[in-house]
Amino acid sequence: DQQVKQNSPSLSVQEGRISILNCDYTNSMFDYFLWYKKYPAEGPTFLISISSIKDKNEDGRFTVFLNKSAKHLSLHIVPSQPGDSAVYFCAASARETGANNLFFGTGTRLTVIP
Amino acid sequence: DVKVTQSSRYLVKRTGEKVFLECVQDMDHENMFWYRQDPGLGLRLIYFSYDVKMKEKGDIPEGYSVSREKKERFSLILESASTNQTSMYLCASSPQGFSGNTIYFGEGSWLTVV
Repeated sequence: DQQVKQNSPSLSVQEGRISILNCDYTNSMFDYFLWYKKYPAEGPTFLISISSIKDKNEDGRFTVFLNKSAKHLSLHIVPSQPGDSAVYFCAASARETGANNLFFGTGTRLTVIP
Repeated sequence: DVKVTQSSRYLVKRTGEKVFLECVQDMDHENMFWYRQDPGLGLRLIYFSYDVKMKEKGDIPEGYSVSREKKERFSLILESASTNQTSMYLCASSPQGFSGNTIYFGEGSWLTVV
């Protein structure tokens, strides 16, 4: 059973516009959420994270929003650049049950059109 | 610069063969992981190890085993490869105080079982 879901397998956005990637989770024990970026033929790399005590975390062009009541998080990229084209995975963990257990979503392939 | 190295990038094996996927990290990390990535399923944890000679099953351990004889090396073993094990395999490592943003992935090993 998929505890972390990314319902959009792909997203295309014009360069300079906003990209919004969405992620839903089912386990209320999750208290730490992350986004990873993956280029073809490379391993995922950490992008940004958010703890459940916050509802927003910002790092440059990347902002993650967390809505705990809706069990939903989103990643905003503003402005989008062609180099942002990659697959984005959201992930969640419950520190209480051991942070070794990261649950990943299915990924969203973002294409930024020049 | 941190490095997780997977020895084989692309392999083609026959059904029934024994397959070894090797992973080495140079960061003195306690934790090491093996994931597989499949379209529509995201990253799924096969096994992880938090210390030498220690291992824990992940979400999909069936058909796999692991070996960690040295801290820097974590091997994934397919005892008798089957076609449904055709996938991309990702090794990762993290320090003991893992918080998700300190997990480092290798570049992946593409395994095709024919």
